[in-house]
Parts: sequence; C-alpha cells; structure tokens
Amino acid sequence: QVTLKESGPGILQPSHTLSLTCSFSGFSLSTYGMGVSWIRQPSGKGLEWLASIWWNGNTYNNPSLKSRLTVSKDTSNNQAFLKVTSVDTADTATYYCAHTRGWAYFDYWGQGVMVTVSS
Amino acid sequence: DVVLTQTPPTLSATIGQSVSISCRSSQSLLHSNGNTYLHWLLQRPGQSPQLLIYLVSRLESGVPNRFSGSGSGTDFTLKISGVEAEDLGVYYCVQGTHAPWTFGGGTKLELK
Repeated sequence: QVTLKESGPGILQPSHTLSLTCSFSGFSLSTYGMGVSWIRQPSGKGLEWLASIWWNGNTYNNPSLKSRLTVSKDTSNNQAFLKVTSVDTADTATYYCAHTRGWAYFDYWGQGVMVTVSS
Repeated sequence: DVVLTQTPPTLSATIGQSVSISCRSSQSLLHSNGNTYLHWLLQRPGQSPQLLIYLVSRLESGVPNRFSGSGSGTDFTLKISGVEAEDLGVYYCVQGTHAPWTFGGGTKLELK
C-alpha cells in the first residue's frame, strides 16, 4: 500500500527558504519508472505542479518559479525533498507530494501540509 | 504553457443524474510517442485529490465504472453516469504531454 506524508515548518517569513519533506512507503524511488512530484494549492484555488524527481535522479521543475526550486531524494530513507528559496506571500498554500507513475500521472497523494508565509 | 479550460465551472446535479465536464486544451495533447497524457482527478471537500481517469479513458483501479473519459487532440470529456453523493467535489483535468504540466481550473460538482 502506497502512502505519502508531507512535513514542513507551517509558517515562515518572507525571503526565507521553505524546506519540505515527503516521507513515503509502499514503493522505492530507486525502482525504474517511479517518481515523486510536488504540487501546491492556495486556499480555495486550483492546483499548480511545481517539480518532479525520478528514480534515476532526473528532476523537472516548473519554470514559472524560475530557479527557486530544488528537489532531491534520499532513497535509503524513502524521502523526497522540496526547497523553495526567497518565499513571499504568494507561496502561501497547501503543498502536496504525490507518487508519479508517468507524465502528470499522480496516482497517490499525501494529505498535504499547509504553509503560510507571513512576517 | 498549455492552458486547460474546463466547463462548466460549476455543475449542479441531482442524485442519479448523468453529467459531463469538458476540458479543452490550447494545444493538441497527442504526444509524438502516440500517447495522450490527459488525466482526471477529483478533490472531495477537505481531502487530497485522487486520480480517476488516466490517459484520456483508462479507469484507475478502484474507481467506479460510472466514471468514463473520452476525447482526443484538444477536446476531452469526463462523464459521470448516475451521480452519487460521494461524487461531489471539484474535478480537475491535468496534462502531462507538454512541459510544464498544467491543470485545468476545476469544475465544482454540487447537489441541486
């Protein structure tokens, strides 16, 4: 059974770096074809794909966030990570990680972690 | 970026009614490898999204067969044949053919 759970700071100040962790079970990020994606959703609004990391270490970021995103993984501990630098209030959202089996094929989702950027 | 336009934005239905949601893309979603990476998700109130349909028309495991997907190129449709109370929420289409992957704006299904 595949499960994912996000964790993060809850609240942080503008210009700081947001660090999120996705802890998962039921699959390995070293297995061919497996991936983890990060998606966010401002309160009451739609979904935005941020980034994905694959079993072979390849990463893909949404260019709308320019070079602010970094995704990485710790295969031995079944974790994936997202860093967002220079946050501002527009980054306030619920952040989800999702098991990704193909292009935009998000078949299992975490419960989401709410992040608020505020001074 | 590919823009996915969902209509209607809100849909009111009675239990047992059949409804359809449209997702129109600003570019063809047919990939050069022959696949069309258009999928449908449902987000129930207060919950994470869940995958319903992938690759236009393939039903995700465990999803009731009252859900069906169709379409090609730039026009896609999700149909629910006989709405049940548990189907209420916001439906999103998402495309993975062109980077960056993008979502439609959502269609909220509510009870009439």
